[in-house]
Amino acid sequence: KAGVTQTPRYLIKTRGQQVTLSCSPISGHRSVSWYQQTPGQGLQFLFEYFSETQRNKGNFPGRFSGRQFSNSRSEMNVSTLELGDSALYLCASSSTTVGETQYFGPGTRLLVL
Amino acid sequence: QKEVEQNSGPLSVPEGAIASLNCTYSDRGSQSFFWYRQYSGKSPELIMSIYSNGDKEDGRFTAQLNKASQYVSLLIRDSQPSDSATYLCAVTTYNFNKFYFGSGTKLNVKP
Repeated sequence: KAGVTQTPRYLIKTRGQQVTLSCSPISGHRSVSWYQQTPGQGLQFLFEYFSETQRNKGNFPGRFSGRQFSNSRSEMNVSTLELGDSALYLCASSSTTVGETQYFGPGTRLLVL
Repeated sequence: QKEVEQNSGPLSVPEGAIASLNCTYSDRGSQSFFWYRQYSGKSPELIMSIYSNGDKEDGRFTAQLNKASQYVSLLIRDSQPSDSATYLCAVTTYNFNKFYFGSGTKLNVKP
């Protein structure tokens, strides 16, 4: 099976812009979780989607949003980018529930200037 | 109190030695436990999962779970320089609703 894929892999944006990141889970996986990873904060949970519904949400401002499509692919959007949003954004998929093993994609590295 | 606690390290061990990584968690109802390895600049990759008390071995890796004491550990036997990475402990809650990661322990294996 192909693994989790994320696009783009690298992105440079300026403050105030918005960005959309994409994640395609492992075939058959219906749960997609998003994480932000920075050197100082480690892995921070953003949100989790299952069957096109957001099931869980972390403690991030409303500028961070996401959605899931009927084919389980997911997108996350960050509006009004801030310098502090520079991070590695990771997507992880699991077959049904978030409690099952999560498999990570390669990540999207976002740099906000 | 964080849901999952790990010593950030770095933990330095000589090549061939046993590396012992520890993790404690706060939710007594936690059900599933995972160890991930993350190389610098890469995404986390699953090493092992463990669900019941005791030891689980996979090659050079052994995961140990003690639910009464709320800790889970990872032993790496015959450590190799290629094992140098950050090791993340992850725990899921009783109703499997959330997946909590520790901040990771950086392991350095010296040749």
